[in-house]
Amino acid sequence: EAQVTQNPRYLITVTGKKLTVTCSQNMNHEYMSWYRQDPGLGLRQIYYSMNVEVTDKGDVPEGYKVSRKEKRNFPLILESPSPNQTSLYFCASISGRREFFGPGTRLTVL
Amino acid sequence: KQEVTQIPAALSVPEGENLVLNCSFTDSAIYNLQWFRQDPGKGLTSLLLIQSSQREQTSGRLNASLDKSSGRSTLYIAASQPGDSATYLCAVSPYTDKLIFGTGTRLQVFP
Repeated sequence: EAQVTQNPRYLITVTGKKLTVTCSQNMNHEYMSWYRQDPGLGLRQIYYSMNVEVTDKGDVPEGYKVSRKEKRNFPLILESPSPNQTSLYFCASISGRREFFGPGTRLTVL
Repeated sequence: KQEVTQIPAALSVPEGENLVLNCSFTDSAIYNLQWFRQDPGKGLTSLLLIQSSQREQTSGRLNASLDKSSGRSTLYIAASQPGDSATYLCAVSPYTDKLIFGTGTRLQVFP
């Protein structure tokens, strides 16, 4: 079954404690992307990757890092999380007209 | 900068009603437009995709239209059911693989 998985699904952490949210897809897609969703602001793109070792900033990249060492994985890294990064995060894998979204990770930074 | 707006933000209707969700965008230079459904605790599911050269797409009880010149799209849901309750998101693509989302319409259909 074609799918995008994210882990963890829920995370509560404290300011400054580094964390990584993993994303994995089983469709061999080249293009992957991270979004955050906030009330009243919709989904905004954080970073995207067009292939292995090729990443670029989206609309709201500040405070985030990503890596793409292999095609299936696209982790999102928060080196020093802050409360304004409390949000619902989605990973997506895209090929042509088809988009597949992960189930989301709800992050709370205290 | 492309901006996507959805009205209304929330909608509550009785079962069986036909309803229309609206999406507007500021830049008509789009590659395509999509409507997604979002259920709590789940990811987004693509419902309909309209290419920039098309005027509408249909899938079952759903019909989406696109008027690029006026920067508008509508999602028509016929004979609504409680299972249609979800948040509906509109997204435009200025180019392939890039999505710019609206803020969504939260729909509740009650029996």
